[in-house]
Amino acid sequence: EDKVVQSPLSLVVHEGDTVTLNCSYEVTNFRSLLWYKQEKKAPTFLFMLTSSGIEKKSGRLSSILDKKELFSILNITATQTGDSAIYLCAVKRSSYDKVIFGPGTSLSVIP
Amino acid sequence: KAGVTQTPRYLIKTRGQQVTLSCSPISGHRSVSWYQQTPGQGLQFLFEYFSETQRNKGNFPGRFSGRQFSNSRSEMNVSTLELGDSALYLCASSLRDREGDTQYFGPGTRLTVL
Repeated sequence: EDKVVQSPLSLVVHEGDTVTLNCSYEVTNFRSLLWYKQEKKAPTFLFMLTSSGIEKKSGRLSSILDKKELFSILNITATQTGDSAIYLCAVKRSSYDKVIFGPGTSLSVIP
Repeated sequence: KAGVTQTPRYLIKTRGQQVTLSCSPISGHRSVSWYQQTPGQGLQFLFEYFSETQRNKGNFPGRFSGRQFSNSRSEMNVSTLELGDSALYLCASSLRDREGDTQYFGPGTRLTVL
């Protein structure tokens, strides 16, 4: 059965720390992996990854995919309290297939 | 460009009642997916519609149904509500091309079943 696993499930860090969130997956016909950030509302899109080894960056956030080992990481450097959220990893198989979400990592950044 | 809109934003119902939720996708998006989110289960896929046809379906009972109209707007219906149906229901729209994997979520409808 296809599945997406995230670790850790929750994390508490201090402002300024660097965090690494993990996402591993087991799906057939992998097409893309997506990261979302969810605060007290709907998830907002962060990155879409389709190729191994190519890092995507947006400000203090970056992500990379390893299609051989079937995982992705999301890095956040110099964390701020505004980074506190649930980070969701999702995987899509073929173009017409549903998106499969992981359970999310709850990140709390304390001053 | 306007984002995904969902109505109503909040809803309180009692057991046994039925409810209809509405979702309007981003203009030009033809795919609409519905998710149920609860603290214990996370985001769970309900179904996806594309061009008025159900493309994919999650593991939910038949009480959960949906449809999509020719303007891509979608509705989701839950009949014979149970306490466990209390959740945030999210709708997401996407294109159906090479960039179609990215889903854009609406603000959700918070359903409380008493």
